[in-house]
Amino acid sequence: SQQGEEDPQALSIQEGENATMNCSYKTSINNLQWYRQNSGRGLVHLILIRSNEREKHSGRLRVTLDTSKKSSSLLITASRAADTASYFCATDDYSNTGKLIFGQGTTLQVKP
Amino acid sequence: DTEVTQTPKHLVMGMTNKKSLKCEQHMGHRAMYWYKQKAKKPPELMFVYSYEKLSINESVPSRFSPECPNSSLLNLHLHALQPEDSALYLCASSQYTYSATQRENQPQHFGDGTRLSIL
Repeated sequence: SQQGEEDPQALSIQEGENATMNCSYKTSINNLQWYRQNSGRGLVHLILIRSNEREKHSGRLRVTLDTSKKSSSLLITASRAADTASYFCATDDYSNTGKLIFGQGTTLQVKP
Repeated sequence: DTEVTQTPKHLVMGMTNKKSLKCEQHMGHRAMYWYKQKAKKPPELMFVYSYEKLSINESVPSRFSPECPNSSLLNLHLHALQPEDSALYLCASSQYTYSATQRENQPQHFGDGTRLSIL
């Protein structure tokens, strides 16, 4: 089974609104990463947060990590139509092999 | 533009054909990955190469045969595939698989994939 589970599965908002996606995982991790995938394209790495970090920012992205609850959230502020994509969280399996386990993903639609 | 190049972009093949998918990166990365992705699903890891050696095989059927000729190239040889193998095949690379000094997995850079259809 997948390490990461995300909710919601789908999210539809208006341009300018904020979008929040959540990810839960089951085992200890070294870090958690978020990726974006536009339709018909490969994944793009957005941000990495280490297990000893609680919050990280990158432009309009804000990621939080709560290791006690084994959960993370991705906030996109002031969303744009170009943010329409699927978003995946990915965790390592603590085996130090580089293996990433992806969550089921959240499909975000931003309406202009 | 992606820094990981995959060819071909689309491939249609019969169940008796032999074909190969190719992946190339020139970022000096020493880890390369193959993933399979079905529609509306997350990528599933198939193989990991670290320093041109196969380090992870996720129990992938032998009809998929990976090859890493050098640090920049990764191939996936296909033979006698089944209709359920139709999917998007993604290649990725990273600086290393795991950084012992930073104690973390490295971010992965993905190509745009090969859309494979098995007739």
